[in-house]
Amino acid sequence: ETGVTQTPRHLVMGMTNKKSLKCEQHLGHNAMYWYKQSAKKPLELMFVYNFKEQTENNSVPSRFSPECPNSSHLFLHLHTLQPEDSALYLCASSQDATSSVYTQYFGPGTRLTVL
Amino acid sequence: AQSVTQLGSHVSVSEGALVLLRCNYSSSVPPYLFWYVQYPNQGLQLLLKYTTGATLVKGINGFEAEFKKSETSFHLTKPSAHMSDAAEYFCAVSVDNNDMRFGAGTRLTVKP
Repeated sequence: ETGVTQTPRHLVMGMTNKKSLKCEQHLGHNAMYWYKQSAKKPLELMFVYNFKEQTENNSVPSRFSPECPNSSHLFLHLHTLQPEDSALYLCASSQDATSSVYTQYFGPGTRLTVL
Repeated sequence: AQSVTQLGSHVSVSEGALVLLRCNYSSSVPPYLFWYVQYPNQGLQLLLKYTTGATLVKGINGFEAEFKKSETSFHLTKPSAHMSDAAEYFCAVSVDNNDMRFGAGTRLTVKP
C-alpha cells in the first residue's frame, strides 16, 4: 500500500475534451512527479515539482498542463489530446527532488485512453 | 546523460528456480541504481536501491542486486522464484539530481 493516490484510475476522453488527473500524497513529501508509461517504452519523466515550484518540464507538449497548489497535491490538466497520448500516467513523490538519495514512491496510475 | 539497458524483455522461470534479471547502465559519474517492480494495474514499488557503500544490496521479497562497477551492471537475483513474483521489473539509474532514467522493463513469468 503506497501513500500516493491517483484519481481517476481509468479515463476515456475524446480529442476535444478537457479533463484533469489528480494525485495526492500522504507521506509529507516535498517533491512530486508526473511520468508517462507507454507500452514497450521506458517510463518518461514529464514534470517535476519541488516545494511547489516546477523544476523540470521534459519537453512536454502544451496540451499537458501541470498544477501543484501545495506539496500534497498535483494535477495534470489535459486538453485537445491525441490518440498517441493514450498511456498510463503515473504520479510519484519523494522527500526532495534535488537528490536521488530520496526514494520516489509511485501511485497506481491513471489509465488514459484518447479516442 | 545516464541510461539503462535491460537485457531481455521477457524472462520465464519455473517456480523454485533462480531468478536473474539483467541491467547494465551507462553513467559518467558514480550512479545511484534502483530496481522497481510493477504488478498488474498498480504503480511501481521500490525493491531495492544502491547509493553508496556495500555493493551487494538486499531488498524486499528476497531479492538482491550487486553493483559491479567494472561491468557497469546491477543485475537482480532471487534464489527461488515464487508465483507471486510474476510482474514487470524496471531498473533505473540516477546521478544524484533525481533525474531517473528507467529501462524498458523485463516481464517475469513464473511457471508452476
